[in-house]
Amino acid sequence: RKEVEQDPGPFNVPEGATVAFNCTYSNSASQSFFWYRQDCRKEPKLLMSVYSSGNEDGRFTAQLNRASQYISLLIRDSKLSDSATYLCVVASSSGSARQLTFGSGTQLTVLP
Amino acid sequence: EAQVTQNPRYLITVTGKKLTVTCSQNMNHEYMSWYRQDPGLGLRQIYYSMNVEVTDKGDVPEGYKVSRKEKRNFPLILESPSPNQTSLYFCASSLSGVRGAGETQYFGPGTRLLVL
Repeated sequence: RKEVEQDPGPFNVPEGATVAFNCTYSNSASQSFFWYRQDCRKEPKLLMSVYSSGNEDGRFTAQLNRASQYISLLIRDSKLSDSATYLCVVASSSGSARQLTFGSGTQLTVLP
Repeated sequence: EAQVTQNPRYLITVTGKKLTVTCSQNMNHEYMSWYRQDPGLGLRQIYYSMNVEVTDKGDVPEGYKVSRKEKRNFPLILESPSPNQTSLYFCASSLSGVRGAGETQYFGPGTRLLVL
């Protein structure tokens, strides 16, 4: 089982739609959670951190469920510019080791 | 401008010919790391460094070396490249060495490597 799993998609949605991505992680000791966005052939960039209480940034809402070990990303009123791959990222520490584990990404295409 | 730079951006080489991919950041970050990205596998961490002269293996370190002699630079060395190291490589940095993996990562633009 992969440490961080995402539905690879692709998700093809019309402009204005609401779309949700889920991500599950296997390490119960994981400490920090993020969503990154990666445009085709470009570097990943932080979209938002994910907090236990859930957090919102404009049209984007992220939630964390530690008991079930999953995080989610909700995009409302999707725009053409939201088309990208969304990476779920989990940070964990074990002794002195500090590691980030990335999901394989979920591809989103917003259609006109 | 705060940034992470990588060179070269594109490289075609042959099996066994040693190569180095440079990574440099101008943000005074303590934590730096290297990833490779392959279709269907996502980004996998190769090596990371929590500070100068402190490096550690990530998930896929075989066939790679790194060094951290200065805070700003973190080169990735392939002593004897093989075709299975053909990939897209990203360098990244974050502010804190101790909490580095738990903070925003700033990625370089990527290096596309083809090993023939």
